[in-house]
Amino acid sequence: KAGVTQTPRYLIKTRGQQVTLSCSPISGHRSVSWYQQTPGQGLQFLFEYFSETQRNKGNFPGRFSGRQFSNSRSEMNVSTLELGDSALYLCASSLGPGNIQYFGAGTRLSVL
Amino acid sequence: GENVEQHPSTLSVQEGDSAVIKCTYSDSASNYFPWYKQELGKRPQLIIDIRSNVGEKKDQRIAVTLNKTAKHFSLHITETQPEDSAVYFCAASIGGTSYGKLTFGQGTILTVHP
Repeated sequence: KAGVTQTPRYLIKTRGQQVTLSCSPISGHRSVSWYQQTPGQGLQFLFEYFSETQRNKGNFPGRFSGRQFSNSRSEMNVSTLELGDSALYLCASSLGPGNIQYFGAGTRLSVL
Repeated sequence: GENVEQHPSTLSVQEGDSAVIKCTYSDSASNYFPWYKQELGKRPQLIIDIRSNVGEKKDQRIAVTLNKTAKHFSLHITETQPEDSAVYFCAASIGGTSYGKLTFGQGTILTVHP
């Protein structure tokens, strides 16, 4: 079974641009969660989607948004990029509530 | 919201020694506590988890204990090996519709010296 796949693996953007990251969960998994990882703040929860519905949202500004498609693939979007958005963005998938989250390798975003 | 504190931030041991990492959580409603290991440049991988109806869980050299009254849980690694060197994260979730929302500790850099 293929693991959680995130694309692209690396991105370089400039301030003010927007970016879209993609996450393909493990086959059969219906829940996708997104996390931001930085050296200073560690792993912080962004949002979670289950069956195309956002169920939980972390404490991030409205510039961070996401969605989930009917095949459970998920995208997150960051608009008006700031230098502080430079981070490793990880997604994790699970079968659903009560199940283990499996992480993807992440997308490393650098904002210049 | 939930807050998870993790200690120590760095831990250095000799091969064969034991390592213990401790976490405390703030929300008494939390009922799921996974531990992840992240090697340099790799994805976090679950190594063990525990739910609030269990006090201890063991898997070979790794064990986790949970004290709900004190709201803390610990990871114990025995007979450490150099390949155990990594960053370890504890996390907590209140379950229910928030099961997919993990609150992580700040991480512990474990170094095992041969």
